[in-house]
Amino acid sequence: EDKVVQSPLSLVVHEGDTVTLNCSYEVTNFRSLLWYKQEKKAPTFLFMLTSSGIEKKSGRLSSILDKKELFSILNITATQTGDSAVYLCAVVLNFGNEKLTFGTGTRLTIIP
Amino acid sequence: DAGITQSPRHKVTETGTPVTLRCHQTENHRYMYWYRQDPGHGLRLIHYSYGVKDTDKGEVSDGYSVSRSKTEDFLLTLESATSSQTSVYFCAIRLQGAAGNTIYFGEGSWLTVV
Repeated sequence: EDKVVQSPLSLVVHEGDTVTLNCSYEVTNFRSLLWYKQEKKAPTFLFMLTSSGIEKKSGRLSSILDKKELFSILNITATQTGDSAVYLCAVVLNFGNEKLTFGTGTRLTIIP
Repeated sequence: DAGITQSPRHKVTETGTPVTLRCHQTENHRYMYWYRQDPGHGLRLIHYSYGVKDTDKGEVSDGYSVSRSKTEDFLLTLESATSSQTSVYFCAIRLQGAAGNTIYFGEGSWLTVV
């Protein structure tokens, strides 16, 4: 059975701290890994990772994939209260229809 | 915003009644998906469509049916709503890119079955 596990389940840090969120997976026919941020509404797309070792970066957020060890990390530096959200990791399987298998998410809370 | 509109956004219905949620997209995307999101389970695929009249089941399809009679609309029907179907329902579309495909979500439909 395909599985995506995120850790930690929740994290509380102070504004300005740096955080690292983890996503490990055990799936067949891996195609890509996606990161999303979800506040009180729909998940919003952050990154798509397909190749090992290539960092994707957007402002204070960055992410990298390790296809040998089957995991990805999402880093957020200099956190702000607006970073408070649930961060979701999803793996895209290469079955043509490209269904996603999601982890249950990491709830990040930033204290001012 | 990937041009996805869900309706209704919020609904309360009684057990045993049929309910239809609508997903409308304006950009001619071929692939459309319906997910539900529940605490402790994350997002789970109900049904998806890969073209007009082409649909298939996801991992939690029991009690749900879908229809796609035109490209822009993907309907999710709860044939006889149960309390276990109280959830947030997200429609999604697939965007094709040079490096791969990404999935974008609509704003969600909050359904409460009482």
